[in-house]
Formats: sequence, C-alpha cells, structure tokens
Amino acid sequence: AQSVAQPEDQVNVAEGNPLTVKCTYSVSGNPYLFWYVQYPNRGLQFLLKYITGDNLVKGSYGFEAEFNKSQTSFHLKKPSALVSDSALYFCAVREIYDMRFGAGTRLTVKP
Amino acid sequence: NAGVTQTPKFQVLKTGQSMTLQCAQDMNHNSMYWYRQDPGMGLRLIYYSASEGTTDKGEVPNGYNVSRLNKREFSLRLESAAPSQTSVYFCASSEAGQNNQPQHFGDGTRLSIL
Repeated sequence: AQSVAQPEDQVNVAEGNPLTVKCTYSVSGNPYLFWYVQYPNRGLQFLLKYITGDNLVKGSYGFEAEFNKSQTSFHLKKPSALVSDSALYFCAVREIYDMRFGAGTRLTVKP
Repeated sequence: NAGVTQTPKFQVLKTGQSMTLQCAQDMNHNSMYWYRQDPGMGLRLIYYSASEGTTDKGEVPNGYNVSRLNKREFSLRLESAAPSQTSVYFCASSEAGQNNQPQHFGDGTRLSIL
C-alpha cells in the first residue's frame, strides 16, 4: 500500500525566513502526491499536487513543493514565511479510491 | 460556493447512544469519503463511496455504518457510541476515477462520547 511519512511533528520559523516541511513517500508505481493545510476548526484545504512532469510544483499562497524521486521525498517550501502560514500541514498520497495522509506537521511562524 | 457541508458541527453523546452525521456536496462529485482525525494520527478513512449506489470499508470501519442517499449526500451512523469514537469527523468528495484530483473537505463534526 502507498504511504507517506512526515518526520517532524513541529516546525518553527521566523517570519520572512524560508520554510520547509518534509515528507517522504513509499509507493509502487508512479506517485500522486498532495499537500493540504488545515487551519483551526476547519477542514483540509488543497495546496498543490504532483502528478508527473516538472519536479518543482507551484501551488496556492506562494507555496511550492519539490519532488525528488531518488530520495522519495516531496518537501513543501516557501521562500518567505508569513505569520498567517501558521497551521497544520498534511502530506498525502492518492490510492485508487482514497487518500493516505501523513500524521501532520504543525508549522509555527513567529513575528 | 458551499462545497462540502457537514452537520452538526459539534455533538456530545453518552456511551451507547446513536447518531447520524450528515454530509452534502454541491460539486457534482461522484466519490465521497468519511475520515476521522485523531491527534498525531493524521486522517484515517472510515468508509467511502466511489459512486452513487456503492459503499466500501476503509481503514477503520468498525462501529460505523454509512448510507449514500443520493449523489449529493453521504451519511455516517454510529449505532452504539463508544468513548473510543471521540474524534473529529471529516467528509470529503472528489471526482470519480481521477487519481490525480484532490479531495475537497468539509469543516468537520467534533464528536465527544462520554
């Protein structure tokens, strides 16, 4: 079965600094990888996806993710963090009928 | 655009009580899903419905039943609630047969079982 892992429970960065939220995957075949963000008391919101093609994927709110096949990673990045980026971030891999999620990484951006 | 709507938003039950969580989507999606979210465990799939008229078990189906009432609505029922079912429940929908499409989520139902 497909799976993803998020090795960090918590990531802290200062506002204006670059941020990275890590994700590694384990799949058979071509991976369909996603990043979602969850704000307090809200559902998950789609940020970006990797299907095929360019290894650097651009998404919503200035986020991007880098797909690395040799390292089986799909890290989420942003060049300059905002306080409003503070939230819970989930990496996910698409199965045939559902989505398998990582445990989540809480990002805190401090002013 | 409403997207995916879940009711109720909050509920407290006593052990052994039953209840139904409602979900409706207005995006004309064929597939719908029920997840539960527990701290440190991400989201786990309870049941899904790949298309109207079909339902299948996910990773953690025990203690739950579902009904795909029509294309728009997908309900989750707890027949005899247990404290282990205290969780946040999310409904989601997506286009059918499209592995490269994201799922769209409601804002969740926060359920406490005493």
